[in-house]
Amino acid sequence: EAGVAQSPRYKIIEKRQSVAFWCNPISGHATLYWYQQILGQGPKLLIQFQNNGVVDDSQLPKDRFSAERLKGVDSTLKIQPAKLEDSAVYLCASSLVVAGSTGELFFGEGSRLTVL
Amino acid sequence: AQKVTQAQTEISVVEKEDVTLDCVYETRDTTYYLFWYKQPPSGELVFLIRRNSFDEQNEISGRYSWNFQKSTSSFNFTITASQVVDSAVYFCALSELYSGGGADGLTFGKGTHLIIQP
Repeated sequence: EAGVAQSPRYKIIEKRQSVAFWCNPISGHATLYWYQQILGQGPKLLIQFQNNGVVDDSQLPKDRFSAERLKGVDSTLKIQPAKLEDSAVYLCASSLVVAGSTGELFFGEGSRLTVL
Repeated sequence: AQKVTQAQTEISVVEKEDVTLDCVYETRDTTYYLFWYKQPPSGELVFLIRRNSFDEQNEISGRYSWNFQKSTSSFNFTITASQVVDSAVYFCALSELYSGGGADGLTFGKGTHLIIQP
């Protein structure tokens, strides 16, 4: 079974530029998450989708970050314009979840962003 | 608000020693889930265990064991006879049930960097 796919693995941009990350979850997984992991810290949830609807985006900096999952499968996370503090690894995860329970999250390898 | 605290930033032991990683959590919910993940140098997060709030039984899986105590809001992880391959960052995480009935995103601690020296 294929795991969670993410691209690109690495990206270097200058501040004020834009960047987009792509995630394809495990087939059949209804829930998709984007996490931000700054060096030396634990992952922080940015946004959670259930199918193509947003469940939680309370920690997403909406003035510069956006995410979509139009067909309920793959997802794109965009940052525009990027700031130095956005340098981090962006992790995508998916889960096969039924209502009322929490299943295991499967993580991709992440996309490492460096903002200069 | 939920919170996970891993007070140990880094632990270094010699191979074959036992080591315990501490995790303390805060939540207002009575139903929640606790997790441990391993993050090796490659960066991918690897699931180790999930425990729900109603199951306080300790669990053992090979050299790994987990001690869940609701009275102290702790979910500690012990590696017995550590090996060099155990070197990684270990994260404890908490999830509360989403009010809408689905899964909630995980709140992670800051992680403990475990170094096993040969």
